[in-house]
Amino acid sequence: KNEVEQSPQNLTAQEGEFITINCSYSVGISALHWLQQHPGGGIVSLFMLSSGKKKHGRLIATINIQEKHSSLHITASHPRDSAVYICAVGRNNDMRFGAGTRLTVKP
Amino acid sequence: GAGVSQSPSNKVTEKGKDVELRCDPISGHTALYWYRQSLGQGLEFLIYFQGNSAPDKSGLPSDRFSAERTGGSVSTLTIQRTQQEDSAVYLCASSALGPKGTDTQYFGPGTRLTVL
Repeated sequence: KNEVEQSPQNLTAQEGEFITINCSYSVGISALHWLQQHPGGGIVSLFMLSSGKKKHGRLIATINIQEKHSSLHITASHPRDSAVYICAVGRNNDMRFGAGTRLTVKP
Repeated sequence: GAGVSQSPSNKVTEKGKDVELRCDPISGHTALYWYRQSLGQGLEFLIYFQGNSAPDKSGLPSDRFSAERTGGSVSTLTIQRTQQEDSAVYLCASSALGPKGTDTQYFGPGTRLTVL
């Protein structure tokens, strides 16, 4: 079993839909990261959180430390949100990554 | 300001050759990470540098892999006697504070390595 599990693996949505991507982890962590990888390969850090909730524009990330679970929400999705979203957990000096969720938002 | 830069962007080499990949972190960032992303696979941690401390090499897949960070800034990842399974995108990231994965990491564009 992977230490970081993401679901769904693939997600297709219509423009404007509310999107949720889930991440569960099985190890102790110091922080959880949500990353976005565009089709060209570049990776951007969206959020780093260790408790509660963070919001940036149309993106919201939440984490429940007790349940070892995090969600990434996208409100009013847009085709430019199409990317792979990766959950990663920071522990000690390294990071462990989920397999990613490939999101496609259709106009 | 400048982000994390990596060179070369693409590298094609023959099996058995040595390669060097370079990472220039954001100025002032004390923490530097190397990751690998094989085709169709997720990201994999390789090595972590924090300031002048000894690096965490726990993710290096074999003794053919090594990395240095000179003067607490530029880092070089060296792969000796490359194998076809080394083909991947090698990503570098840096963060302002370390360690322990608690700080936002800024990723470079990656070096795509192809071993023929």
